[in-house]
Amino acid sequence: EIVMTQSPLSLPVTPGEPASISCRSSQSLLDRNGYTFLHWYLQKPGQSPQLLIYSGSNRASGVPDRFSGSGSGTDFTLKISRVEAEDVGLYYCMQALQIPWTFGQGTKVEIK
Amino acid sequence: EVRLVESGGGLVKPGGSLRLSCAASGFSFSVAWMRWVRLTPGKGLEWLGQIRSRKDGETADYAAPVRGRFTFSRDDSKDTVYLQMNSLKTEDTAVYYCTTDWGVGSPHLGELSLWGQGTRVTVSS
Repeated sequence: EIVMTQSPLSLPVTPGEPASISCRSSQSLLDRNGYTFLHWYLQKPGQSPQLLIYSGSNRASGVPDRFSGSGSGTDFTLKISRVEAEDVGLYYCMQALQIPWTFGQGTKVEIK
Repeated sequence: EVRLVESGGGLVKPGGSLRLSCAASGFSFSVAWMRWVRLTPGKGLEWLGQIRSRKDGETADYAAPVRGRFTFSRDDSKDTVYLQMNSLKTEDTAVYYCTTDWGVGSPHLGELSLWGQGTRVTVSS
């Protein structure tokens, strides 16, 4: 199975400052049709997970533009340009190239 | 309103069984591929598997930790998907979510845009 590795696992942030989370996969997530099977999810405290970024760099509906995704192949990054208090929670990358779909360990973003 | 609502969680002893339900509304459930994901404190999010639509064979895929113990099924007349859990272990303690890629062109992409609220399962003696 494809192993997903996130870093850091804990990220204390100051409101208004940028934040960045890295995700690495054990094999390329780019398929022959050019689609990147890497997605980012956020689970806020007490809520269900929500889709943030799909196919590496596309914001899901309703996601603020302070969130951006980048990367290709096996290395991906989620960036928050200016963290807000409502952004706290657990961030997960997930690959859907190969069954079983697998998640990273999660990165806990909290306010300093 | 487009939504998924899970039910059926609770406390069960090791070795016991439980059936979770996930009721869909507001979209064409019969063509949706439905997935189950769980959240455990120690392991984070874990994909458990999926069940395809009837037109795609209604076949299922299972993650290794639950294969042979868990079974997915669906009743399109009730817009409901089920997760039958047998031979439960303490490590199955988690919040269980059903999810699907509503509004996405293809069910193969993994863009899980719709999630239920989750139902908690505790396996303990």
